[in-house]
Amino acid sequence: AQSVAQPEDQVNVAEGNPLTVKCTYSVSGNPYLFWYVQYPNRGLQFLLKYITGDNLVKGSYGFEAEFNKSQTSFHLKKPSALVSDSALYFCAVSSGGYNKLIFGAGTRLAVHP
Amino acid sequence: EAEVAQSPRYKITEKSQAVAFWCDPISGHATLYWYRQILGQGPELLVQFQDESVVDDSQLPKDRFSAERLKGVDSTLKIQPAELGDSAMYLCASSVDTYEETQYFGPGTRLLVL
Repeated sequence: AQSVAQPEDQVNVAEGNPLTVKCTYSVSGNPYLFWYVQYPNRGLQFLLKYITGDNLVKGSYGFEAEFNKSQTSFHLKKPSALVSDSALYFCAVSSGGYNKLIFGAGTRLAVHP
Repeated sequence: EAEVAQSPRYKITEKSQAVAFWCDPISGHATLYWYRQILGQGPELLVQFQDESVVDDSQLPKDRFSAERLKGVDSTLKIQPAELGDSAMYLCASSVDTYEETQYFGPGTRLLVL
């Protein structure tokens, strides 16, 4: 069965510092990995995805994520955090086919001025 | 930029009443998804359509929930009767097709059952 773990409920970082939001996954077959961001009372916004190819994926708003097959991880990163990055971040995995996405529980990112 | 539309944005109802949510996917998207997001959790797939056909409704509580996409475009999700535990955000998403395509989400409908 597919599963996603986001081990941190909340990540706190100072503005201007690098940020990392962690995600590990379990899936049979090749994983398709996604990151979404959710602002209060809003739907999910797509940030980036890994399907195949380069392990470092670049996405929207300066975010990037690194696929690590041996560690079954797909951590989200940004070199310099902004206060406006404060939101709820979800990692999700699919094994293709009917593309059923399994989401993690989410990590709340708080960027302090 | 094309977006997924949902209505209403907010719905308050009493238990045992019927509620319905509407979703209009991005034009040309063949696949439509309904998710339920309980506060503090990630979204969970309720039902997935490929055109007008259901391809996955394994997590849909079929005794009270129903979903349709009659012409393969917009979709309606219905709950009858609503229960207190149905209070959640209901999200609609669409993608060009299945497989590894990106799912794009609407703003959601927040349901409160009293």
